[in-house]
Amino acid sequence: QVQLVESGGGVVQPGGSLRLSCAASGFTFSSYGMHWVRQAPGKGLEWVAFIRYDGSNKYYADSVKGRFTISRDNSKNTLYLQMNSLRAEDTAVYYCAKDPGGVVTTYWFDPWGQGTLVTVSS
Amino acid sequence: EIVLTQSPGTLSLSPGERATLSCRASQSVSSSYLAWYQQKPGQAPRLLIYGASSRATGIPDRFSGSGSGTDFTLTISRLEPEDFAVYYCQQYGTFGPGTKVDIK
Repeated sequence: QVQLVESGGGVVQPGGSLRLSCAASGFTFSSYGMHWVRQAPGKGLEWVAFIRYDGSNKYYADSVKGRFTISRDNSKNTLYLQMNSLRAEDTAVYYCAKDPGGVVTTYWFDPWGQGTLVTVSS
Repeated sequence: EIVLTQSPGTLSLSPGERATLSCRASQSVSSSYLAWYQQKPGQAPRLLIYGASSRATGIPDRFSGSGSGTDFTLTISRLEPEDFAVYYCQQYGTFGPGTKVDIK
């Protein structure tokens, strides 16, 4: 079955950097776009970034544009999120999620990984 | 930028009752891209409905979605104990704030 496993979360100081990974299995990773979605503690969901199946296009929420970079390695079935210039408001659980549309982007998220917690604090 | 508003914020109901959750968009949106998610405490969200009215794989038929334009509805025909959770609507990169369905 489809499985997404995030890693790389932790505690980082404001202004610091962190790279998240999402290991995918159970499907042809190179055929699907992928998203990052985050959820601050006790808050709602916020879409963060999207990358097309072949990495040709990337899109970001305004709140992270210029600071975060989404990328993928289809040979390793892995999605990444490089987070720089981190701020307290970036504190959240970060989920990776598969876009079920394949070549056609649906902007639905199915399924989701279990999430990894990023805490930005001094 | 489209804003999604969900109502009510909290819905207190008993098992077996019908739940009706509303999602309103600040401008007309394509039904094709309207989705609903369920999230239980400590768990990742789960896709329930996509394209405004299509159930995702494995979702029981007590869950149904409807609507078009700016007004969309998620209906749970008879609440089961496992349905008490938070529900989010979503369109493209925007989520609504969520409706919590709790036990009365």
